[in-house]
Formats: sequence, structure tokens, C-alpha cells
Amino acid sequence: NAGVTQTPKFRILKIGQSMTLQCTQDMNHNYMYWYRQDPGMGLKLIYYSVGAGITDKGEVPNGYNVSRSTTEDFPLRLELAAPSQTSVYFCASSDTNTAYSNQPQHFGDGTRLSIL
Amino acid sequence: AQTVTQSQPEMSVQEAETVTLSCTYDTSESDYYLFWYKQPPSRQMILVIRQEAYKQQNATENRFSVNFQKAAKSFSLKISDSQLGDAARYFCAYKNAGNQFYFGTGTSLTVIP
Repeated sequence: NAGVTQTPKFRILKIGQSMTLQCTQDMNHNYMYWYRQDPGMGLKLIYYSVGAGITDKGEVPNGYNVSRSTTEDFPLRLELAAPSQTSVYFCASSDTNTAYSNQPQHFGDGTRLSIL
Repeated sequence: AQTVTQSQPEMSVQEAETVTLSCTYDTSESDYYLFWYKQPPSRQMILVIRQEAYKQQNATENRFSVNFQKAAKSFSLKISDSQLGDAARYFCAYKNAGNQFYFGTGTSLTVIP
């Protein structure tokens, strides 16, 4: 299994540009998450989804949008890139459809995004 | 919202020695789960160990073990026989019954040869 796959791995954007960070998982997980990790800091939740068609804001949603049209995919969109969005972005998924809800999050390898 | 605090931004340990990373959390819930993740320079997030709040027995995974003190809301990670490959940033995470995860700010561990 590939697990959680994020693309691209690196990207440089100019201020005001837009882009979509892709995330797909092949584990049939119902929960998916987007985090950002600023240098030397922990993870901050941007958006999450509990299933196809359902999304909710996390701690730092401003400047981002998400959609969840399928179970597998959870893209993150930046509409007007700003320098403050320079960060490493992680997508994660987790499963609650088992008897053991001690299931952890499975993470993608991250996308390093620089806004110049 | 739940908060997770890791009060040690950086730690170091001599190779083959033991080190303990601390984590405390704040919650009013009784049913939750705790995790330690490792993030090496490759940036991957790797699960190290997990603990269910309803279990009194501390979890162990080979050289990794936890000291879970539910009343004190403390969840420390002990790494025994430290190896060079243990050098990484370690994150403590809390998961509530609603499947939401909260992460600490991490502890960067250096292993000295």
C-alpha cells in the first residue's frame, strides 16, 4: 500500500499566485487532515474531513480551502499565496471504522512550500 | 480545546544511555488516546508508541516505553539504549473521542556518539 501520498514535494510560489496541494490515501480511511508546520514549531490543523462531502475548519483555516469529493482525495487550495503561508504542509488520514479507536494518524511525506 | 505541552524544546543523550521526554496535556475527557511520533530530518512523521487512557499498564515498544500518569495528565517517553538513529524531533499527541488530534510543539533529541 502507498498509504498517504502528497504532491508536490516542493514548490515555490510568487505572492498572489494560487495552487492546490494534492493528497490521496488508499487505506479507505474516513478521516483526513491538513496540517502546517512552521520552522521549529509543532503541527497546526488547517482543515479536516470526517468523510466524503464533509469538511470542517481547524485552528488556522484562513487563506485555505479544501474539498472532499471522494474518500481517497483531500486537496488543499491556496487562493492568494502570502509569505505567511511559507511552511511545510502535511496531509494525514485515520480510520475509525475498526473496533480499536487507538488508531493513529498516517502521514504523508509533506510538501515544502515557499512563497516569495 | 485540549492542549498538549512539551516543555523541553531540546534534549541530548549519550549513545546507549537512557533519556526521558516529557509531555503533559489538559483535558476534561475520560476517554482518549495518547501517541508519540518521531520526525527525523526526512520530515516523515513516524508513530513510535500509543497508549489508551483506560489502560493502567504503560505501553512498551522495544526500547521505547511510556510513563502514563492519568491523574497528573502526564505522558512521558523513555528511550533506552539510545541509538544514533533515534535522533529526531519527537511529538506528543492527544486524540479525543471525536478523532481529533492535538500535537505538542516537539522536543528535538540529539544523540551524542
